[in-house]
Amino acid sequence: EVQLVESGGGLVQPGGSLRLSCAGSGFIFSQYWMTWVRQAPGKGLEWVAGIKQDGTEKLYVDSVKGRFTVSKDDADKSLYLQMDSLGVEDTAVYYCARVRTGRGYDYWGQGTLVTVSS
Amino acid sequence: DIQMTQSPSSLYASVGDGVTITCRASQSISSYLNWYQQKPGQAPKLLIYAAFNLQSGVPSRFSGSGSGTDFTLTISSLQLEDFATYYCQQSYTSPFTFGPGTKVDIK
Repeated sequence: EVQLVESGGGLVQPGGSLRLSCAGSGFIFSQYWMTWVRQAPGKGLEWVAGIKQDGTEKLYVDSVKGRFTVSKDDADKSLYLQMDSLGVEDTAVYYCARVRTGRGYDYWGQGTLVTVSS
Repeated sequence: DIQMTQSPSSLYASVGDGVTITCRASQSISSYLNWYQQKPGQAPKLLIYAAFNLQSGVPSRFSGSGSGTDFTLTISSLQLEDFATYYCQQSYTSPFTFGPGTKVDIK
């Protein structure tokens, strides 16, 4: 059974940093693009970042470029999102998801809440 | 960036009703359009990929159509478990933008 489990969310002050993790199981982690999607409280979905199977290509939405870094460790079957210079606008539930190229995001984690507040 | 719009933003319907949600892209995205369902407190669930392909395990009352800039999601006969918010998403080019969502509520 495919599973994705996020962790690392919490309360952080503006300007602070946080590292999210997403542990995958039940599939060959190294064979898939992986992605992060976030959802601010009461709002819609926003694509944040994605990383290619071999880690050679990383994509970001403009609002996080230069502040967020996506990475993966195939040995640990884990996806990461390093978030720096956090602002209140980054407050959201962050989901990781598996990408089926051309076929959407077929598996999602349960999400981890990041709250940026003083 | 490609902008995605959805209409309506919300609708009220009864069990058994047919429902159609429209999604429009600001430029052609061929058939690179996916639909997701999200219920409160839950992660999104993939319903339709590449405009009209039903994801495994999704009931056949869901269907998708369209290409280029205009797409539709149709639910042929609403069931109680279908009351949720529906999002379209383009997977044509980064950033892979989502539509604002359509909330389907019980009449």
